[in-house]
Amino acid sequence: QKEVEQDPGPLSVPEGAIVSLNCTYSNSAFQYFMWYRQYSRKGPELLMYTYSSGNKEDGRFTAQVDKSSKYISLFIRDSQPSDSATYLCAKAKLNSGGSNYKLTFGKGTLLTVNP
Amino acid sequence: DAGITQSPRYKITETGRQVTLMCHQTWSHSYMFWYRQDLGHGLRLIYYSAAADITDKGEVPDGYVVSRSKTENFPLTLESATRSQTSVYFCASSETAFQRRTDTQYFGPGTRLTVL
Repeated sequence: QKEVEQDPGPLSVPEGAIVSLNCTYSNSAFQYFMWYRQYSRKGPELLMYTYSSGNKEDGRFTAQVDKSSKYISLFIRDSQPSDSATYLCAKAKLNSGGSNYKLTFGKGTLLTVNP
Repeated sequence: DAGITQSPRYKITETGRQVTLMCHQTWSHSYMFWYRQDLGHGLRLIYYSAAADITDKGEVPDGYVVSRSKTENFPLTLESATRSQTSVYFCASSETAFQRRTDTQYFGPGTRLTVL
């Protein structure tokens, strides 16, 4: 089982819709959770970052982590055509000494917001 | 502020040739990473480095070699390229290992490599 599983999509919604993107993870040792956005032919860029259970809001974006069910979500309110991109969930794992770390990514969900 | 750059941006090579992809960052970040991105697999970690002369294998290291003699550079070498190594390669860097809540990995623009 891959450590991070992500709904593959693609997902197509009308402008103004609420979008829900979801991931599950299998290893409780992972502590930090992120959502990256990747536009076509570009590198990923950090969108949201959280390290605890609960919700974190940033404008139209809300990241939600449920550690008891190992579920992470990203909600986009009032979606815009400019939100059309691939969204990647990721989690970070530190080594035992905290001196090095690596990210494990989901496969990404392609979102298209239609005007 | 140039940030993180990769070269070349596009490369076509033949099976069996050695290829080196360059990554350079101007922030003096300690941590650097190489990923490959393929349809159906997402981003997979090839190698990562915590500092100059400290490197570790990621998820898919076979067929690749890295070195890090200087903090700002992290070249990735395909010793004998194979068609399965056709992919988009991303380099990334971060200042610390998530010791601050604002830490993140910054990604380069990617190198599209085709092995014929």
